[in-house]
Amino acid sequence: SQQGEEDPQALSIQEGENATMNCSYKTSINNLQWYRQNSGRGLVHLILIRSNEREKHSGRLRVTLDTSKKSSSLLITASRAADTASYFCATDPQETSGSRLTFGEGTQLTVNP
Amino acid sequence: NAGVTQTPKFQVLKTGQSMTLQCAQDMNHNSMYWYRQDPGMGLRLIYYSASEGTTDKGEVPNGYNVSRLNKREFSLRLESAAPSQTSVYFCASRRGYSGNTIYFGEGSWLTVV
Repeated sequence: SQQGEEDPQALSIQEGENATMNCSYKTSINNLQWYRQNSGRGLVHLILIRSNEREKHSGRLRVTLDTSKKSSSLLITASRAADTASYFCATDPQETSGSRLTFGEGTQLTVNP
Repeated sequence: NAGVTQTPKFQVLKTGQSMTLQCAQDMNHNSMYWYRQDPGMGLRLIYYSASEGTTDKGEVPNGYNVSRLNKREFSLRLESAAPSQTSVYFCASRRGYSGNTIYFGEGSWLTVV
């Protein structure tokens, strides 16, 4: 089963609104990453948050991590039509050698102009 | 830098045929990965290689074999293709292990009829 599970599965908003996506995971982790995938393309890294961090910002992105709840959220502020894509969380579980990065099933974000 | 290059981009196979997906990275990364992505789904890890000379099973290894030919190249072989293996396959790599960004190829679309 997937280590990370995103919620919601699909999100449709208007340009200028904020988009929030959530990720839950099952086991203890070293870090959590968020990736973006445009239709028909490979995934591109957005941001990484380590297990000892609670919040991180990068441009219009804000990521939070709650290790007690085993959950993370990705906030995209002032969304643009170009933000339309699928967003995935990925985790490095603590109990593995550190090589095994597993992904959730993703949130499909549609930003309407 | 080409990054992660995988070939072929598109392939149609008949049930029972074999084929090898090739992947090469020019970033001197230690770890390499093969994932599959089914329509509307997240990525599932097939196999990974933490370093040259080592390979490990991921979540869905059945029906596949891999070879880490050298530090640059990591191939995925389907010995006897089945319709259930119709998917998009992504190769990826990263420097070291946990906490580093993973870089993806552009994907290989495989259809088994």
